[in-house]
Amino acid sequence: DQQVKQNSPSLSVQEGRISILNCDYTNSMFDYFLWYKKYPAEGPTFLISISSIKDKNEDGRFTVFLNKSAKHLSLHIVPSQPGDSAVYFCAASEITGRNAGNNRKLIWGLGTSLAVNP
Amino acid sequence: KAGVTQTPRYLIKTRGQQVTLSCSPISGHRSVSWYQQTPGQGLQFLFEYFSETQRNKGNFPGRFSGRQFSNSRSEMNVSTLELGDSALYLCASSYQGVYEQYFGPGTRLTVT
Repeated sequence: DQQVKQNSPSLSVQEGRISILNCDYTNSMFDYFLWYKKYPAEGPTFLISISSIKDKNEDGRFTVFLNKSAKHLSLHIVPSQPGDSAVYFCAASEITGRNAGNNRKLIWGLGTSLAVNP
Repeated sequence: KAGVTQTPRYLIKTRGQQVTLSCSPISGHRSVSWYQQTPGQGLQFLFEYFSETQRNKGNFPGRFSGRQFSNSRSEMNVSTLELGDSALYLCASSYQGVYEQYFGPGTRLTVT
């Protein structure tokens, strides 16, 4: 059973508009979330993260919003550019041992393929 | 700073054989994690090594094993290959655990 779900396999937006990628999770113990971007034939690249003590984190054109009560997070890209076309993965982490920094593993969604059209 | 490198990039093996994949992390990174990526399952966590010790493990059978050397380079071994092991195997390194991992390009394994 998928603990991290990205229900939209694909998304298409116009250049300059906002891209909103969504992610839902089921495990209330997840306390750290990350977004990665992946181009074909390359490994994923870290984009942005958010801790569960926050509800928003911003980095340039990328903003992640976390709604803990709904177990939902979203990635906003504004404005979208053709170079943003890639697969975006949402990942979540929980503490698996007593040492918070050392005992974590990531659970990944299946990804959303974003196409930004010129 | 050089990125994460993985060798080989492509492999074709026959069912029943074994395979060893190699990963060289970014200099200074002590944590190396391995993932299996398949179209239907996404990225599945295999295991994480930190300072030559396996620190976390995913839900994979014992045919999947790994190790890390004193220079932080890591190898992953899969014995008795099955058709379902065909996948992209990704290695990721970080200074500390799962925060901001840096991925290599992956090794594409095909089992026939």
